[in-house]
Amino acid sequence: RKEVEQDPGPFNVPEGATVAFNCTYSNSASQSFFWYRQDCRKEPKLLMSVYSSGNEDGRFTAQLNRASQYISLLIRDSKLSDSATYLCVVIGTGNQFYFGTGTSLTVIP
Amino acid sequence: DVKVTQSSRYLVKRTGEKVFLECVQDMDHENMFWYRQDPGLGLRLIYFSYDVKMKEKGDIPEGYSVSREKKERFSLILESASTNQTSMYLCASRVGTEAFFGQGTRLTVV
Repeated sequence: RKEVEQDPGPFNVPEGATVAFNCTYSNSASQSFFWYRQDCRKEPKLLMSVYSSGNEDGRFTAQLNRASQYISLLIRDSKLSDSATYLCVVIGTGNQFYFGTGTSLTVIP
Repeated sequence: DVKVTQSSRYLVKRTGEKVFLECVQDMDHENMFWYRQDPGLGLRLIYFSYDVKMKEKGDIPEGYSVSREKKERFSLILESASTNQTSMYLCASRVGTEAFFGQGTRLTVV
């Protein structure tokens, strides 16, 4: 079983739409959770950390559900510039990073 | 800003060649990593290093080796390149819980 699983998409949404991605992780002892963004042909970059209490950064909201072992990312009022692949990342035992395969988002004019 | 620099963006090598991929970071980070990224498989860890001259195998080390002679430099070596090593290779340096990636090297083995 993979450490981290994501729906690969693709998600194609119109500008202004709200879109949500989920990610599940297998190790209940995992402590730290993140969303990274990867633009086409570029390297991944940290988008935001995910906390148990949930956190918001502008149009982006991240949530963690420890009981069900999933992480979510909500993007409101989608912009064309949000088009990218979103990677779910979990730090597991041994302080290792585990990456999901990524969810592809295309925002359509 | 943290900078992680990989020596090449694109490489084409022949089967059987020895290939060196270089990665340099400028923030004195101890932790450095090499990943490969393939469609549908995501990022998979090849090797990592927590200190100079120290290396640990990741999930897919077969066919690869690494070298960390200086803190800022972490090299990935393909001893004898094969076509199934055609991939995007990403180097990362890490401090605490944030990873910083190089721009990637797209390697094609023909």
